[in-house]
Amino acid sequence: GENVEQHPSTLSVQEGDSAVIKCTYSDSASNYFPWYKQELGKRPQLIIDIRSNVGEKKDQRIAVTLNKTAKHFSLHITETQPEDSAVYFCAASKAYRGTDKLIFGTGTRLQVFP
Amino acid sequence: DSGVTQTPKHLITATGQRVTLRCSPRSGDLSVYWYQQSLDQGLQFLIQYYNGEERAKGNILERFSAQQFPDLHSELNLSSLELGDSALYFCASSVDQRGYTDTQYFGPGTRLTVL
Repeated sequence: GENVEQHPSTLSVQEGDSAVIKCTYSDSASNYFPWYKQELGKRPQLIIDIRSNVGEKKDQRIAVTLNKTAKHFSLHITETQPEDSAVYFCAASKAYRGTDKLIFGTGTRLQVFP
Repeated sequence: DSGVTQTPKHLITATGQRVTLRCSPRSGDLSVYWYQQSLDQGLQFLIQYYNGEERAKGNILERFSAQQFPDLHSELNLSSLELGDSALYFCASSVDQRGYTDTQYFGPGTRLTVL
């Protein structure tokens, strides 16, 4: 069945360092890969997404890369700040028979220490 | 603020009871999705509605049901509640253009506690 694996489950970095979170998906038909940031008790918020026709996308300090052959995509955060501390979820989706449900990874708790 | 609203914010009830969670999508969005977030299961897709019709089902229990009304708001009904149903329930909405995966925007969630 459809599955998304996410690593690591926890990540601690010093302020200013970079953070990388990696995900692997099982369904080769997946074509949309969003990343959500969730602060404690709050809703998941989209921070960046990438579609299968693009290999890399960047938005200020955040970038996502996609390797379709390996079915692998990664989130890169540079110059981390304490406010980046949260749980990050990757997800995969495909438009199929009218549905584009999101299959989520298990989440990465990022802690940025000042 | 995503534009997706959910009520109530918190719900505390007893085992065996029935509750209804409500979601209003962003203006113009036709699709509504329900997700369950528990500590041990992460974010799990439950069900999707598009313009009033059920579009897809995930691992939704038979005790759970949902519907989308003509004004596009949606309700998730949970019955014969068990302790394990305690979780955060999120609603998300998207425009849902045919053959194209649109961004899903999440509501603030309803925290359900079953005692």
